[in-house]
Amino acid sequence: SFVLTQPPSLSVAPGKTARVTCGGDDVGSKTVQWYQQRPGQAPVLVIYYDTDRPSGIPERFSGSNSGNTATLTISRVEADDEADYYCQVWDTTTDHLVFGGGTKLTVL
Amino acid sequence: EVQLLQSEAEMRKPGESLKISCKVSGYNFTTSWITWVRQMPGKGLEWMGIIYPGDSHVMFSPAFQGQVAISADRSISTAYLQWSSLRASDTAIYYCARLSTYPSPRRIATAWVDSWGQGTLVTVSS
Repeated sequence: SFVLTQPPSLSVAPGKTARVTCGGDDVGSKTVQWYQQRPGQAPVLVIYYDTDRPSGIPERFSGSNSGNTATLTISRVEADDEADYYCQVWDTTTDHLVFGGGTKLTVL
Repeated sequence: EVQLLQSEAEMRKPGESLKISCKVSGYNFTTSWITWVRQMPGKGLEWMGIIYPGDSHVMFSPAFQGQVAISADRSISTAYLQWSSLRASDTAIYYCARLSTYPSPRRIATAWVDSWGQGTLVTVSS
């Protein structure tokens, strides 16, 4: 089955840029989604179709996907961005939804 | 506004059965897939399976096939997740969510979760 690999943790100072990576075999041929989950809350979709933002998601959140790596970029990081971030794809080979293991973003 | 309202937290003993629910509103229940996602304490998101309420077609993750049942009642716009014999390792938060698909619900090239329920905490302990 398809596997998505994320770094377990990432730390960034306020005002800097955070880049959360999601690796997978030729993941660039699939569309990648990203979810933010703050402690004690349900996940929220922040990027879909590699680069699109749902309404209400700040422009500071952006996505890219090429080759074997998809990336969620958070510009001008704020304390409120501290959360777990998960990437996700739909595997057409098996008709399964696949999540990455998640990355805990800490704002220093 | 799309809303998915899940049933309250449950506590059961190992071996007991349980059915939790997810009532949706704000869209046509029969034309979008509903998915269930498990989150064990301190762990990540795990996809369990999906159901298409229009015809009750179900697809499972291999990890959950045979371990749970997923169903839907179109008359009350509600989806269900059910266990016949719980184990301590089933202790987790369970989320229902609406799946958006492209190009169509029955021919999926890509899919994503656009709306989540608030989660149901299931605790299994003797």
